[in-house]
Amino acid sequence: EVRLMESGGGLVQPGGSLRLSCEVSGFTFSSYWMSWVRQAPGKGLEWVANIKVDGSEKYYVDSVKGRFTISRDNAKNSLDLQMNSLRVEDTAVYYCARDWNGSGHPMDVWGQGTTVTVSS
Amino acid sequence: DIQMTQSPSTLSASVGDRVTITCRASQTLNSWLAWYQQRPGKAPKLLIYKTSSLQSGVPSRFSGSGSGTEFTLTISSLQPDDFATYYCLDYHSYSRTFGQGTKVEIK
Repeated sequence: EVRLMESGGGLVQPGGSLRLSCEVSGFTFSSYWMSWVRQAPGKGLEWVANIKVDGSEKYYVDSVKGRFTISRDNAKNSLDLQMNSLRVEDTAVYYCARDWNGSGHPMDVWGQGTTVTVSS
Repeated sequence: DIQMTQSPSTLSASVGDRVTITCRASQTLNSWLAWYQQRPGKAPKLLIYKTSSLQSGVPSRFSGSGSGTEFTLTISSLQPDDFATYYCLDYHSYSRTFGQGTKVEIK
């Protein structure tokens, strides 16, 4: 069974840092791009970042560039999102998702999400 | 940056209705357009990819069409499970952009 499980969410003060992790199983992790997507309370989906199969390319939405860093460890089947200089507007449920592998479809498997709250 | 505009934002319909949701892109996507369904408190579910390809396990009442900058998701006969929010996704480049969502409500 293909599974993604996020962890690391919590309450943090503005300006603080948090590291999210996503553990995957049931598929060849090293064959897929991976993405992070977030959803603020009562709002729509926002793609945050993605990373190429070997980690050599990374892309970010403008609002997190310079603050967030996506990384992966193919030996451990894990994906991370390091979030620094957090802002109130970063409050959201963060999902990791399996992304492109050349077969034509984008994010097709998602985790259950982890909640990040940025508040003083 | 590409802008994705969905319409309508909210749609009221009854079970059995045919429903169409539109997504317009600010530039051509070359068919790299997907549709997702999201129920409250749940992760999104991929329905359609590459404009019109049905994801495995998705009922055939869902279909996608379009080209260039205008795309549609059609539900041929709305079922109780289909009351949810739907999002389009541009993935023609390495980054991704979602539409703002269309909530399908019970009439």
